[in-house]
Amino acid sequence: AQSVTQLDSHVSVSEGTPVLLRCNYSSSYSPSLFWYVQHPNKGLQLLLKYTSAATLVKGINGFEAEFKKSETSFHLTKPSAHMSDAAEYFCVVSGSGVEYGNKLVFGAGTILRVKS
Amino acid sequence: GAVVSQHPSWVICKSGTSVKIECRSLDFQATTMFWYRQFPKQSLMLMATSNEGSKATYEQGVEKDKFLINHASLTLSTLTVTSAHPEDSSFYICSLLGPMSTDTQYFGPGTRLTVL
Repeated sequence: AQSVTQLDSHVSVSEGTPVLLRCNYSSSYSPSLFWYVQHPNKGLQLLLKYTSAATLVKGINGFEAEFKKSETSFHLTKPSAHMSDAAEYFCVVSGSGVEYGNKLVFGAGTILRVKS
Repeated sequence: GAVVSQHPSWVICKSGTSVKIECRSLDFQATTMFWYRQFPKQSLMLMATSNEGSKATYEQGVEKDKFLINHASLTLSTLTVTSAHPEDSSFYICSLLGPMSTDTQYFGPGTRLTVL
């Protein structure tokens, strides 16, 4: 079975400081991994995606994530937080193979707070 | 990416009535759409996978007779919540597989349903 664990339910940073949102995954297959962001009462926006190419993935708005197979991790980072980054972030895994089809499995989410 | 719209963005209804939510792909033809439900302060849970021209595939524990899904065209899928009850109040979000993609989903802005 596939699963995603987001290690922090809430993260608070000051504007201009680095952001680290942690994610560990479990998958029987070579997974596709995603980070999505959700602003209040809005749908989800794709930040970035890993699909077995480069292990360091760059996304939109200055975010990037590194796939580490040995640690089964896919942590999301940003060098300098902006007030507009305040939102909820979801780490997501997509399986391959007939068993999983195109289904996504979501982590519980991490709420990022950015202080001025 | 792909542009996905949902209508309505929010709806309030009385207990026992039915509510229809539309999900539209605005810039390409989507053979597969997904419906999710998100309760307050929780992650997204997949309800069903909607394939154009065929019956939807429901996840375990989701009542297919209560949540009717119709994917009648390549740009439109509808979710009808029948005989709605207060416990059905939730944020309903649709998504679709992006063009030329087997794993990347693009999400609509969501529909907030409140059942009185």
